[in-house]
Amino acid sequence: AQKVTQAQTEISVVEKEDVTLDCVYETRDTTYYLFWYKQPPSGELVFLIRRNSFDEQNEISGRYSWNFQKSTSSFNFTITASQVVDSAVYFCATNTGGFKTIFGAGTRLFVKA
Amino acid sequence: DVKVTQSSRYLVKRTGEKVFLECVQDMDHENMFWYRQDPGLGLRLIYFSYDVKMKEKGDIPEGYSVSREKKERFSLILESASTNQTSMYLCASRETGTASTGANVLTFGAGSRLTVL
Repeated sequence: AQKVTQAQTEISVVEKEDVTLDCVYETRDTTYYLFWYKQPPSGELVFLIRRNSFDEQNEISGRYSWNFQKSTSSFNFTITASQVVDSAVYFCATNTGGFKTIFGAGTRLFVKA
Repeated sequence: DVKVTQSSRYLVKRTGEKVFLECVQDMDHENMFWYRQDPGLGLRLIYFSYDVKMKEKGDIPEGYSVSREKKERFSLILESASTNQTSMYLCASRETGTASTGANVLTFGAGSRLTVL
């Protein structure tokens, strides 16, 4: 069965600090997809990134970067020079190709000015 | 701007009432989903629909039913609301891919926060 663990329930940082959100996944499938979504206070989850299991290349998008390591079953998310607008709940999720996307419990990030 | 719209942002209902949560998407997506979000538990899948009039149980379907009479609309029904159904309900939609459906991104609505007294 698939499972996603986000061990950090809440993280609080001061603006301009770097912060890493951890995600560990479990799956028996060799083909799977990993996602990160952001849920701002407005409530709507917003897609951030998708990786497939065959592509371990790390990705950077502006202040956001993702580190995918199959050896440790991790897909961690780093925000560089955090800003107040980054305050949100962040969800890591996985899907093995069907209709069920499995989400982690989420990590609430507070960025203080 | 593509959207998933949930008609009610906040609802307060009494135990035993029948509750309808409506969701409409304008992206012509085949797949639609209802999730429940609770602190510490993340999002859990209640029901999904892969096409009009087609529905499948998710991981926590007990106490819920759904209806999909039109492609753009997916309704979640609580036949007799109970206090343990107090939660945030999120609707999402997704197109069916040709390669792998699981790769496709979910588009979410803003959520419906239901309180059952």
